[in-house]
Amino acid sequence: QKEVEQNSGPLSVPEGAIASLNCTYSDRGSQSFFWYRQYSGKSPELIMSIYSNGDKEDGRFTAQLNKASQYVSLLIRDSQPSDSATYLCAVVYYGGSQGNLIFGKGTKLSVKP
Amino acid sequence: DTGVSQDPRHKITKRGQNVTFRCDPISEHNRLYWYRQTLGQGPEFLTYFQNEAQLEKSRLLSDRFSAERPKGSFSTLEIQRTEQGDSAMYLCASSLASAGLYEQYFGPGTRLTVT
Repeated sequence: QKEVEQNSGPLSVPEGAIASLNCTYSDRGSQSFFWYRQYSGKSPELIMSIYSNGDKEDGRFTAQLNKASQYVSLLIRDSQPSDSATYLCAVVYYGGSQGNLIFGKGTKLSVKP
Repeated sequence: DTGVSQDPRHKITKRGQNVTFRCDPISEHNRLYWYRQTLGQGPEFLTYFQNEAQLEKSRLLSDRFSAERPKGSFSTLEIQRTEQGDSAMYLCASSLASAGLYEQYFGPGTRLTVT
């Protein structure tokens, strides 16, 4: 059973702080990792993708991947109240599947003004 | 640039009725995915198409569910004899399979309520 685990939260941070979201996955055969943001009642929105070990930065967002530890994280710098949402970690497993995403349950982030 | 669109956005139906949802992917995308999401859960994979071929189906996709993608363009998902447990958000996503990249972009979803 391929699994993606996230703390459900809520994670509460003050405005301007760094929010750190974590995700672990069970299968070493995975190679593609994604972070989606989902506002209440809306559909998931892709915010970051990462394919190799290390860091990838895009604006205020940094994704970090450590395949040896089967761990992927998302850092949000200078958090804003508009960042308050559920963040979904998703993994693509190869070897049989053709790219369907396996999602965690999401971490709810609350940024307090 | 138009994104993924889905229709209808909301559907309320009575148990036992059939429903059909439509998804129009991003125009140049050759892969189309259907997911289902219930409250407090991440989306769960249902099925996927590459062009017009349905290449994979999840065990979640019972025989009451059928999906098509005629001519490799839009897709439909039909649920026959709906049950209350089918109440969920049905999400469609599309991607351009290229060089092992699998970035998927979601439509707004169809929220189904079975009464």
